[in-house]
Amino acid sequence: DQQVKQNSPSLSVQEGRISILNCDYTNSMFDYFLWYKKYPAEGPTFLISISSIKDKNEDGRFTVFLNKSAKHLSLHIVPSQPGDSAVYFCAARSSGTGTASKLTFGTGTRLQVTL
Amino acid sequence: DSGVTQTPKHLITATGQRVTLRCSPRSGDLSVYWYQQSLDQGLQFLIQYYNGEERAKGNILERFSAQQFPDLHSELNLSSLELGDSALYFCASSLNRATGELFFGEGSRLTVL
Repeated sequence: DQQVKQNSPSLSVQEGRISILNCDYTNSMFDYFLWYKKYPAEGPTFLISISSIKDKNEDGRFTVFLNKSAKHLSLHIVPSQPGDSAVYFCAARSSGTGTASKLTFGTGTRLQVTL
Repeated sequence: DSGVTQTPKHLITATGQRVTLRCSPRSGDLSVYWYQQSLDQGLQFLIQYYNGEERAKGNILERFSAQQFPDLHSELNLSSLELGDSALYFCASSLNRATGELFFGEGSRLTVL
């Protein structure tokens, strides 16, 4: 059961344009959502997050939007740069108890920013 | 550099064998997580340890086991290996669960022939 879904395996965007990566989830118990970026031969690195009590979080060129009623979040990158070319993973945290915590990841979207 | 160290980076072995993957978390981080990434798949959560104790479990096979030692490093043991166990195994660490942010190592690529 895929609780976090990224339905677009790949996306190609021209440099300077907006990149929009989408993610859907099914579990209403998720309380934090995160985006990770992964380059080849490296581990995923944290990019930006949003709490379930917010609908938008912005950090420089990166903005994450959360629509709880639709169980949908998106990552906007403006303007897109060639260095943004990577695989982007959407992740969601289960609101467990105490020190228990786990992130459920989507399958990733490969973004290619072309010149 | 995330500060999380995984060894070995690459490992090739045969079916039926047993391997151990090692992870050193970031200095000060108490939680260690193991994830498996198979070809074209997302990261599948295996298990979490916090300060030496198991805290959360995912879809970890019975042939797999893990532990976290007093110095906080962790090992993932994979036994009776099958071809389908070939994957990237990532370790991640975090100080606490406040925001859910994890710091990942570069992964250990396991190939089972």
